[in-house]
Amino acid sequence: AQSVSQHNHHVILSEAASLELGCNYSYGGTVNLFWYVQYPGQHLQLLLKYFSGDPLVKGIKGFEAEFIKSKFSFNLRKPSVQWSDTAEYFCAVNFNSGYSTLTFGKGTMLLVSP
Amino acid sequence: KAGVTQTPRYLIKTRGQQVTLSCSPISGHRSVSWYQQTPGQGLQFLFEYFSETQRNKGNFPGRFSGRQFSNSRSEMNVSTLELGDSALYLCASSPTLAGGREQYFGPGTRLTVT
Repeated sequence: AQSVSQHNHHVILSEAASLELGCNYSYGGTVNLFWYVQYPGQHLQLLLKYFSGDPLVKGIKGFEAEFIKSKFSFNLRKPSVQWSDTAEYFCAVNFNSGYSTLTFGKGTMLLVSP
Repeated sequence: KAGVTQTPRYLIKTRGQQVTLSCSPISGHRSVSWYQQTPGQGLQFLFEYFSETQRNKGNFPGRFSGRQFSNSRSEMNVSTLELGDSALYLCASSPTLAGGREQYFGPGTRLTVT
């Protein structure tokens, strides 16, 4: 079955530390890839997406992600986190481009201490 | 442009009852998807509607159903509620069915089954 896995369920960082959140999916075909963020008390919003072209994509608030097809990975990075980045981060994959359906990872809760 | 709206925001029901949740997509969006979010299972896809037709369905029992109206508004219904149906139900809209398009999420309906 097609699945998405996120490596870390909880991450605690100090402000200014670098962030990398791992995401892997199980499927050898063409996929569309997304990272969503859910800030406390807010609804899910898109950080960035990849569907073709340059495998390094940049999103909002200084986030970026790299698609490595050979590793079935789409890791999220930020060079220097801020307290306001405290949130839950979800990797999502669209396995069938005929639909909008997303398969989500279990999420990573990031806590940034000031 | 107004975002995705969901009503009601909170709901408490008793086991065995049924419930109907409503979703209004962003104006001009024709695809509406529903997801269930729980602490244990994360975000799981329920179904997707486009042009009043169910186009894709997740792995949920037949107690979960939905529909879409000609104005793209959607409802989902859960009959014979079970304690395990307690969750945050999220609606997402997208301009089309195409998988490379972003899905915009609403704030969700928090359902508690007692």
